[in-house]
Amino acid sequence: NAGVTQTPKFRVLKTGQSMTLLCAQDMNHEYMYWYRQDPGMGLRLIHYSVGEGTTAKGEVPDGYNVSRLKKQNFLLGLESAAPSQTSVYFCASSYTGLAGVSTDTQYFGPGTRLTVL
Amino acid sequence: RKEVEQDPGPFNVPEGATVAFNCTYSNSASQSFFWYRQDCRKEPKLLMSVYSSGNEDGRFTAQLNRASQYISLLIRDSKLSDSATYLCAVNMGGDDMRFGAGTRLTVKP
Repeated sequence: NAGVTQTPKFRVLKTGQSMTLLCAQDMNHEYMYWYRQDPGMGLRLIHYSVGEGTTAKGEVPDGYNVSRLKKQNFLLGLESAAPSQTSVYFCASSYTGLAGVSTDTQYFGPGTRLTVL
Repeated sequence: RKEVEQDPGPFNVPEGATVAFNCTYSNSASQSFFWYRQDCRKEPKLLMSVYSSGNEDGRFTAQLNRASQYISLLIRDSKLSDSATYLCAVNMGGDDMRFGAGTRLTVKP
């Protein structure tokens, strides 16, 4: 199993450009998450999905959109990139436990380092 | 006040030392607690879950203090390979998982 993979690994954008980050998992997990990690701020949840076709906002959703058209993929879009979106982006997934509740243990992808100039 | 707070460190300790980290959380209704390890420029990986009764995995011991709303991680007999950033994570309710900013540990020969 590849686990959780992310593409691309690195990207440099100019202000105003758009891009999509792709996350894929082969563990048949229901739950998927997008985080950003900034120095001194820890991981902050952007959006998450509890199943195919469903998404929800996290702690810092502004400026991002997501889609979960297939169970194994979770896409994060930046429509008009801003320098404040320079960060490391991590995707994660987790099992669904009893009663449809996530078991909480999250498996992370290797991250995407994004710089917006 | 942040929902989850950690001492950022860095903690610099010699090999063989015992070191402890604390993580405080704001939501008294939180039910799930975790410690993750993150190596430099890598993704976080689960180190251990934290159970109400406390739990131990080799040299690592995790404890939960609900009354004071903090969790702790104790590392005994530190190894060079323990050098990393340790993140605590707290489920604030539903699907709302919050991570601390991390505590950096450096173990020196």
